[in-house]
Amino acid sequence: QVQLVESGGGVVQPGGSLRLSCTASAFSFTTYGMHWVRQAPGKGLEWVAFTRYDGNTKYYADSVKGRFTISRDNSKNTLYLQMNSLRAADTAVYYCAKDAEGLDAAFFFDSWGQGTLVTVSS
Amino acid sequence: EILMTQSPATLSVSPGERATLSCRASQSVSSNLAWYQQKPGQAPRLLIYGSSSRATGIPARFSGSGSGTEFTLTISSLQSEDFAAYYCQQYNDWPPEHTFGQGTKLEIK
Repeated sequence: QVQLVESGGGVVQPGGSLRLSCTASAFSFTTYGMHWVRQAPGKGLEWVAFTRYDGNTKYYADSVKGRFTISRDNSKNTLYLQMNSLRAADTAVYYCAKDAEGLDAAFFFDSWGQGTLVTVSS
Repeated sequence: EILMTQSPATLSVSPGERATLSCRASQSVSSNLAWYQQKPGQAPRLLIYGSSSRATGIPARFSGSGSGTEFTLTISSLQSEDFAAYYCQQYNDWPPEHTFGQGTKLEIK
């Protein structure tokens, strides 16, 4: 059974930085694209970022472009999200999600982690 | 930019009855449409992909239909565990400006 476990959330001041991690198990991490999706309190889902299985292609939502960086370490089965210049509007639960297709991404999500809460507040 | 609009925002249905949730795309997404269920405090769960294919382990009472711009998620006989929020997601246009609908909350009548 696919397992995705996020960590690294917490409270950070506006303008600050945080790095989220997502550790994957029970599937071939090195052959799947991975995503970050977030959900502000009481709101809907917002896709944030994608990395291809090999890390060579990355996409970002306009709302985070230039501030967030997605990366992966396939030797550690771990996905990362480096978040800089954080704003109050970035307050959300951040989920890592596995792309449903290996190698050629399908861009929908068949497994999700439990999420980690990021709160941006002074 | 494709916008996804779900209706209604809230749907009240009695257990055992049928629920019909709608999702409309501002332009064609072919059959590249997924549905997710999210219960309070939990991560979303994939229900339907390719507009009408059930994901692994999803009960047969969940069905999806539609193509192009109009899509429907039908739950044939509501069970207590089905009361949750439901989101549609287009994956035809990537990377997207917006990929998810705003959600429909299915509540007990």
